[in-house]
Amino acid sequence: NAGVTQTPKFQVLKTGQSMTLQCAQDMNHNSMYWYRQDPGMGLRLIYYSASEGTTDKGEVPNGYNVSRLNKREFSLRLESAAPSQTSVYFCASRGTGEMYEQYFGPGTRLTVT
Amino acid sequence: RKEVEQDPGPFNVPEGATVAFNCTYSNSASQSFFWYRQDCRKEPKLLMSVYSSGNEDGRFTAQLNRASQYISLLIRDSKLSDSATYLCVVNPTWVYSGGGADGLTFGKGTHLIIQP
Repeated sequence: NAGVTQTPKFQVLKTGQSMTLQCAQDMNHNSMYWYRQDPGMGLRLIYYSASEGTTDKGEVPNGYNVSRLNKREFSLRLESAAPSQTSVYFCASRGTGEMYEQYFGPGTRLTVT
Repeated sequence: RKEVEQDPGPFNVPEGATVAFNCTYSNSASQSFFWYRQDCRKEPKLLMSVYSSGNEDGRFTAQLNRASQYISLLIRDSKLSDSATYLCVVNPTWVYSGGGADGLTFGKGTHLIIQP
């Protein structure tokens, strides 16, 4: 089983460039999430989507946009990258009616210079 | 007070020893609790859920103390492969939540190093 997949695995951007991080899950989960993880800061929720067609802001949404393209896919877009967005980005998904486990993708390591 | 607090460590423990660490949470309405494990440069993965009565999975034991608002993780007979960061995760909604706003809150993690 693929679980949660993310592309790309690594990316280097220059300040002001834009990019989209892709995430897909094959577990038929309703909820999907985007986190960033920085040293000493732990995981911080950027945006989440409780179901297809809905998205909500998390703790640190500024500078990001998301699209829940369909039930499987949830993308994160940086319109104008800044060095402060250098981080590791994790996508996660969770089903309903089951134990609240979140499954994480392998992460995208983004550096903004 | 931070929502979920953990001692960041590192805990340096000899192989075969028993190690325990706690996590405190501030939201008394929290209903479900978990320990996740994260290896260096990898994604977090569920280690175990924490039930009110406490639960054990092999060498791992998790306990919940609602009165004092903390959960604990005990690792017996530690192995080199147990070296990782352990994340405490708290959720104020019922485990079988049907959806809506998600309140999963992650601690910053406790770094464990098992030494040969």
